[in-house]
Parts: sequence; structure tokens; C-alpha cells
Amino acid sequence: KNEVEQSPQNLTAQEGEFITINCSYSVGISALHWLQQHPGGGIVSLFMLSSGKKKHGRLIATINIQEKHSSLHITASHPRDSAVYICAVIRSQKLVFGQGTRLTINP
Amino acid sequence: EAGVTQSPTHLIKTRGQQATLRCSPISGHTSVYWYQQALGLGLQFLLWYDEGEERNRGNFPPRFSGRQFPNYSSELNVNALELEDSALYLCASSLGNRGAGNEQFFGPGTRLTVL
Repeated sequence: KNEVEQSPQNLTAQEGEFITINCSYSVGISALHWLQQHPGGGIVSLFMLSSGKKKHGRLIATINIQEKHSSLHITASHPRDSAVYICAVIRSQKLVFGQGTRLTINP
Repeated sequence: EAGVTQSPTHLIKTRGQQATLRCSPISGHTSVYWYQQALGLGLQFLLWYDEGEERNRGNFPPRFSGRQFPNYSSELNVNALELEDSALYLCASSLGNRGAGNEQFFGPGTRLTVL
């Protein structure tokens, strides 16, 4: 079993839908990152959080350290949100990555 | 402000050769991280350099090595290339020496193909 599990692995939705991507981890961590990777391979850091909730535009990330779970939400999804979303936890001063969730938003 | 840059964009080598990948961090960042993303696999941590020193290393054989220069740029060297080394190699940089506790900014990657 991977230390970091994401669900779903693939998600297809219509433009405008509310999207939720989940991340569960099995070890104690100090913080968690959500990353976005576009088809060309470039990665953008969306959030780093260690408690509670963060919001940036249409993106919201939450974390529950006790339950070892984090969620990434996208409101009013748009085709440009299509990408792979990766959860990564900080463990022993390095990032341990989930396998990613491939999101496709159809117009 | 310029982001993290990597060169070359693409690199084609044959088995047994050596590959050198380069990374320039964001100005003011002292930490550089290297990651491997092999086809069909997730991202894996390779190396972390800060202030010229190797601070942490992932589960990779010794033929993966690197260094950080006084200007904080970094090189990743892969010796005795194997077919399974074909991957996208990503570099990231961050402030300070808190390791992964600092937000990381990623470069565009170098795609290494081993024939």
C-alpha cells in the first residue's frame, strides 16, 4: 500500500461542476502539498497546508491531520482546469507523492 | 522574476552513457530538489541540496549524483545509464533549509530518453 493514496485516479466532469479530489496518507506528516501538472509536464504548486483550509480563487484545500486526510475542491470547473492533480506529504524532510488524479473537464 | 529553469529540455542518450542535467533556482532560493517521474509512475524524490550540501537522498542507486554550486544552481548526473532511467526529471527550488517544509517552485523539466 502506498503511503499516499489519491482518489479517484481519473475524473471526467462537465464544465461548471463542483470537483473533489481526495488524498489519504498513512504516516504522520508536518504538512501537505497540492500540485497541478499540465500535459507538457510543468508542475505548479497550488497549496501547502498543515491545518484547516486554504482558498485561492476557485480552488479550496482542506486538511484533517487527525484523520490523515485532505481534499482539493474546484468550484465552477472549467476546461482549463484539466490536468493531473498530485497530493504530496512532507515526511522526513522530503516530499512523498500520491499517484495523481487525472481530471478532464469537458465543455 | 524568473522562475526555475532547467536545461536541456530534451536529452537522448544510449545505455551506458552519462547524462548531466542542469537547474537554476529562483533568485534568493538556496534549496534545490531533484525528482524523477518515469512513464506510468508517480513522482519520486531524488536529491535535496541546500547551501552547497547534499541534505537528503531518495531511494536511488549511487550512479545518481549531483552537486550544488556557490550560485545555488545544481547539476544532476546519471552515470551508466539504463533504459529505465528514461523519465522526466524535475527540479524545484525553495527558500531556506526547512527542506520540504518550504513551498517549492518547479522547473519545466528535462525529458531524458535512454536508447
